[in-house]
Amino acid sequence: GDSVTQMEGPVTLSEEAFLTINCTYTATGYPSLFWYVQYPGEGLQLLLKATKADDKGSNKGFEATYRKETTSFHLEKGSVQVSDSAVYFCALSSGGYQKVTFGTGTKLQVIP
Amino acid sequence: DTEVTQTPKHLVMGMTNKKSLKCEQHMGHRAMYWYKQKAKKPPELMFVYSYEKLSINESVPSRFSPECPNSSLLNLHLHALQPEDSALYLCASSLTGTGANVLTFGAGSRLTVL
Repeated sequence: GDSVTQMEGPVTLSEEAFLTINCTYTATGYPSLFWYVQYPGEGLQLLLKATKADDKGSNKGFEATYRKETTSFHLEKGSVQVSDSAVYFCALSSGGYQKVTFGTGTKLQVIP
Repeated sequence: DTEVTQTPKHLVMGMTNKKSLKCEQHMGHRAMYWYKQKAKKPPELMFVYSYEKLSINESVPSRFSPECPNSSLLNLHLHALQPEDSALYLCASSLTGTGANVLTFGAGSRLTVL
């Protein structure tokens, strides 16, 4: 079945540091890939998405590129802020199905 | 309106109580979902409604009973729950439930079962 593996957290960074959160996936066919973010006490919000190979999703300074050859969708940001502190979930949806498969989440803490 | 609204935000119930969680969206989405999220875990899919018909039930115990009265509303009826059912219950919706299937989540209902 489909699965998503993302790096264990928590990740602690200083403000303005570079962020990478690794995500790899296993899926049949050609999945759509997502990053969702969950701030404390809230539901999940879509951060960015990519629907086909080599697509780059971007939003709020975050980027991720759909790499079919390495089955990866790593999240990056050049300069993190304290307000980016949250839990980040990598997810996939494989075609025609209503199930979205989530990774285990990576908690990011950014310190001033 | 780009929101999914869930009520109540917090619910405490005993094991013999009957209660309901409610979810509403006015984005014209035709797929609606219930997820359960335990602390420090990803959301786990419970139910999916597509065009107001139940399309996925992830082998959820019958003490959870979903209902979709119309395309904008989704309920989760709770009865005879166990303490281990305490969790954050998230409602989500998507345009059709296929394709890229971007989910819009509500803020959740935090349930505590005593």
